[in-house]
Amino acid sequence: DAGVIQSPRHEVTEMGQEVTLRCKPISGHNSLFWYRQTMMRGLELLIYFNNNVPIDDSGMPEDRFSAKMPNASFSTLKIQPSEPRDSAVYFCASTPEASFYNEQFFGPGTRLTVL
Amino acid sequence: EDKVVQSPLSLVVHEGDTVTLNCSYEVTNFRSLLWYKQEKKAPTFLFMLTSSGIEKKSGRLSSILDKKELSSILNITATQTGDSAIYLCAAQGAQKLVFGQGTRLTINP
Repeated sequence: DAGVIQSPRHEVTEMGQEVTLRCKPISGHNSLFWYRQTMMRGLELLIYFNNNVPIDDSGMPEDRFSAKMPNASFSTLKIQPSEPRDSAVYFCASTPEASFYNEQFFGPGTRLTVL
Repeated sequence: EDKVVQSPLSLVVHEGDTVTLNCSYEVTNFRSLLWYKQEKKAPTFLFMLTSSGIEKKSGRLSSILDKKELSSILNITATQTGDSAIYLCAAQGAQKLVFGQGTRLTINP
């Protein structure tokens, strides 16, 4: 059974470029979360969706960040334009709707480097 | 503002030692506390605690929640080099999961 799938695994881009990170949650899971992890700030929740609807995006750093979940099996996190301070590992996680307060299953992460 | 604080931030011990990691939380409408282990990749789930005073165990790892003190501890006995990782604590509040900064545990042979 496949876990949470993220792509790309690594992304190196130049400042000002648009970056799109992708996530496929575990089949049957109805809640999806986007996190960012850096050495300085640790793990931060950016946004989460429940049944494809954004519930809380208060963690999104600024307007340059946007996230969508067009269907139950796909989500994107877009940064436009990217800046060096966006360099981090971005994790996607999913959980069954009924288990929102339980275990979250994390994807392998996308390591983003903005030069 | 919701927050979770872990201590120590870093810990280095010898194989076979017992370690205790601490987590304190302040979250609105607290529901549960979770512990994760993160090695080189993504976090993996260890425990979820909702009731105060009830210890959860998994092999050499155990954890307990104290709702009165708004804290939790994670114990690892007879540590092994494979226990080296970052241990993350997260508190589930009002539809939000707040993570601590993690404790970096290093087990030396």
